[in-house]
Amino acid sequence: NAGVTQTPKFQVLKTGQSMTLQCAQDMNHEYMSWYRQDPGMGLRLIHYSVGAGITDQGEVPNGYNVSRSTTEDFPLRLLSAAPSQTSVYFCASRAPRGRGGYTFGSGTRLTVV
Amino acid sequence: DQQVKQNSPSLSVQEGRISILNCDYTNSMFDYFLWYKKYPAEGPTFLISISSIKDKNEDGRFTVFLNKSAKHLSLHIVPSQPGDSAVYFCASTEFGNEKLTFGTGTRLTIIP
Repeated sequence: NAGVTQTPKFQVLKTGQSMTLQCAQDMNHEYMSWYRQDPGMGLRLIHYSVGAGITDQGEVPNGYNVSRSTTEDFPLRLLSAAPSQTSVYFCASRAPRGRGGYTFGSGTRLTVV
Repeated sequence: DQQVKQNSPSLSVQEGRISILNCDYTNSMFDYFLWYKKYPAEGPTFLISISSIKDKNEDGRFTVFLNKSAKHLSLHIVPSQPGDSAVYFCASTEFGNEKLTFGTGTRLTIIP
């Protein structure tokens, strides 16, 4: 089973370009989230979703858009890339029942030049 | 304002001994706590969690302790193995809230 799949694994963007980071899960999880990891700052929540059609902002949402049209997919869009968005991005999902932890994808390393 | 703090960026432990990783939090609304393990170039992997109604939870070699009055939790790994070398993150949240707040991580190195 694939779990949480993120594409691409690496990406270099020029300042001002836009792009979409893809995230798909095959576990029928209702809850999905996007985090970014920066040196010395742990993981910070960008946006999250508790089901198809429902999204909400996390701690650092500025410059990012999300949508959740299906249970499986939760893409993250960078509207106009900035060097401050250079980071490693992780997508995660979990089932709503119980209190288990999120299952994370392997990450997308994004560099904005 | 860092609501979840891991004050030790790194820790080295001899193989076979106990590893103790610490985490402090400031938000008194947090009632659910998790530990994740992360290898380089991989996503974090869920290890163990604890609810605020408990003060201890055990899963094999991993035990998490929660001291609510001190707003402190710790992860004990016994015995430590070379495969335990990784970065460990603690995370906290409120019941029903999907917003996990992570600490900055502790890099654990197990010395053979």
